[in-house]
Amino acid sequence: DQQVKQNSPSLSVQEGRISILNCDYTNSMFDYFLWYKKYPAEGPTFLISISSIKDKNEDGRFTVFLNKSAKHLSLHIVPSQPGDSAVYFCAASKPGSGNTPLVFGKGTRLSVIA
Amino acid sequence: GAVVSQHPSWVICKSGTSVKIECRSLDFQATTMFWYRQFPKQSLMLMATSNEGSKATYEQGVEKDKFLINHASLTLSTLTVTSAHPEDSSFYICSAPDRTSEQYFGPGTRLTVT
Repeated sequence: DQQVKQNSPSLSVQEGRISILNCDYTNSMFDYFLWYKKYPAEGPTFLISISSIKDKNEDGRFTVFLNKSAKHLSLHIVPSQPGDSAVYFCAASKPGSGNTPLVFGKGTRLSVIA
Repeated sequence: GAVVSQHPSWVICKSGTSVKIECRSLDFQATTMFWYRQFPKQSLMLMATSNEGSKATYEQGVEKDKFLINHASLTLSTLTVTSAHPEDSSFYICSAPDRTSEQYFGPGTRLTVT
């Protein structure tokens, strides 16, 4: 059973426009959410995260929004750049000592067209 | 930021042989490391949690006798795929949380079993 869902396998956006990647989760125990960017044959690299006590976190061009009641989060990238083209994974973790594994969605492939 | 390395980055082996994959935290100590597996167009699935000085804990459905994990030191965990079969072909990624609990991922190892 997929606890973290990314229902859009791919997304194409024009350079300069906003990219919005969506993620839904089912486990209400999750309290920390992360977005990772991944290139083919490479490990994921951390992008941005958000704690469940917040509803928004911003870092430069990247903003993550969390709607706990809807169990939904989204990653906004604005303005989108060709270098943003990659697979984006949403991940979630439960409370713990901090050394808890992540549960990943299937990823969304973002293509930013110049 | 912290660096996690994996070796080898890719390996081809014959069916029935064993393959060892190393995961190293290069500039921090990790009492816990996680091993994930990713099939094409799928999410990263947690296989097991590697604990320094004690036995690894495996996720449901992962055969501990087939995927041997040894956390030999605070900077090294190894995953040995024993008696490999073509269905074991996948992308294996490890991660390690540093002392702030931020997780860092290795670059991954692509295993192809012929």
